[in-house]
Amino acid sequence: KNEVEQSPQNLTAQEGEFITINCSYSVGISALHWLQQHPGGGIVSLFMLSSGKKKHGRLIATINIQEKHSSLHITASHPRDSAVYICAVRFAQKLVFGQGTRLTINP
Amino acid sequence: KAGVTQTPRYLIKTRGQQVTLSCSPISGHRSVSWYQQTPGQGLQFLFEYFSETQRNKGNFPGRFSGRQFSNSRSEMNVSTLELGDSALYLCASSLRTDYNEQFFGPGTRLTVL
Repeated sequence: KNEVEQSPQNLTAQEGEFITINCSYSVGISALHWLQQHPGGGIVSLFMLSSGKKKHGRLIATINIQEKHSSLHITASHPRDSAVYICAVRFAQKLVFGQGTRLTINP
Repeated sequence: KAGVTQTPRYLIKTRGQQVTLSCSPISGHRSVSWYQQTPGQGLQFLFEYFSETQRNKGNFPGRFSGRQFSNSRSEMNVSTLELGDSALYLCASSLRTDYNEQFFGPGTRLTVL
């Protein structure tokens, strides 16, 4: 069993839809990261969370430490949001990654 | 402020050779981490350096090694290359270990023939 599970693995939506990507983990963590990877490989760090909720533009990330669960929300989705979104947890002084969620937003 | 840079961006090697990849962190960042990304295994942690010391190592064979210099630049080396070492190798820098946001470089795509 993977220590970090993401769902869904693939998600296709229409422009403007509200998007939710989920991440569950099975270990005690010190922080959780949401990352975005575009075709070509570059990775951008979107959020780092250890509790509560963070918002940046149309992106919102929440974490529930007791339930070992985090969500990434995208409001008013746009085709440029199409990318792979990766959840990673800081565990035993290293990052452990989920398998990623491939998001495609159609115009 | 310049971002994390990695050289080379692309590399083709043959089995049995060795390779050295370089990573220059953001100015002022003292922690550098290395990751391997493959289609089958996804992203996996290789090692982390802070102030020239290896703080952590992932579950990779001893053929994978690294080091960090006094200016925080880091190199990783893979000896006796195998076909399965073909991957995107990413480095990331942060101000310090733990709790800090990581800034990723563009990666080095290694192909082993």
